[in-house]
Amino acid sequence: SQTIHQWPATLVQPVGSPLSLECTVEGTSNPNLYWYRQAAGRGLQLLFYSVGIGQISSEVPQNLSASRPQDRQFILSSKKLLLSDSGFYLCAWSRASEKLFFGSGTQLSVL
Amino acid sequence: AQSVTQLGSHVSVSEGALVLLRCNYSSSVPPYLFWYVQYPNQGLQLLLKYTTGATLVKGINGFEAEFKKSETSFHLTKPSAHMSDAAEYFCAVTRGYNTDKLIFGTGTRLQVFP
Repeated sequence: SQTIHQWPATLVQPVGSPLSLECTVEGTSNPNLYWYRQAAGRGLQLLFYSVGIGQISSEVPQNLSASRPQDRQFILSSKKLLLSDSGFYLCAWSRASEKLFFGSGTQLSVL
Repeated sequence: AQSVTQLGSHVSVSEGALVLLRCNYSSSVPPYLFWYVQYPNQGLQLLLKYTTGATLVKGINGFEAEFKKSETSFHLTKPSAHMSDAAEYFCAVTRGYNTDKLIFGTGTRLQVFP
């Protein structure tokens, strides 16, 4: 069966510090991978999606970047965090045209 | 452009009462609509989805939703609330026909009182 792992569960970082959130999927190959963010009082916003190794599409301009160094690994990064980067980040995977499977999320607080 | 509006950020019901969570959408193409649930300290799970066909969709845990094109609505209901239904519920719509690119509403937190 397929599983998705996302870590850490919570993270508190100072403004201006770097960020690296990691997501891995097991039990499937060549998944579509996604990073979503849920900011306080707002819906989930699609940040990045990837259909293959090294292929990243950005949905909104922001202070974040994503990378996919391996088929089942998706990393969300920032060189310098902003206060507005605080939120709940969700990694997800799917096969094309099928439902999304979400990780358990990372609560990021930038202070 | 697609968008979703969830009316009511918080809904409280008594155990055994009807649950009604409202969702209205805007879409320039025939929409695919979804309800996801997020239990405390867990990721999102798909409750149900509407793509084509029957407008009344049944999901897990006794939930169902009806697609009403004339009202641009996709409200989520359950006849009798259970304490375990307490969670955050998100309505979502696709952008076009790609079911992966979901636009989510702001969520409705459901509280169930004994």
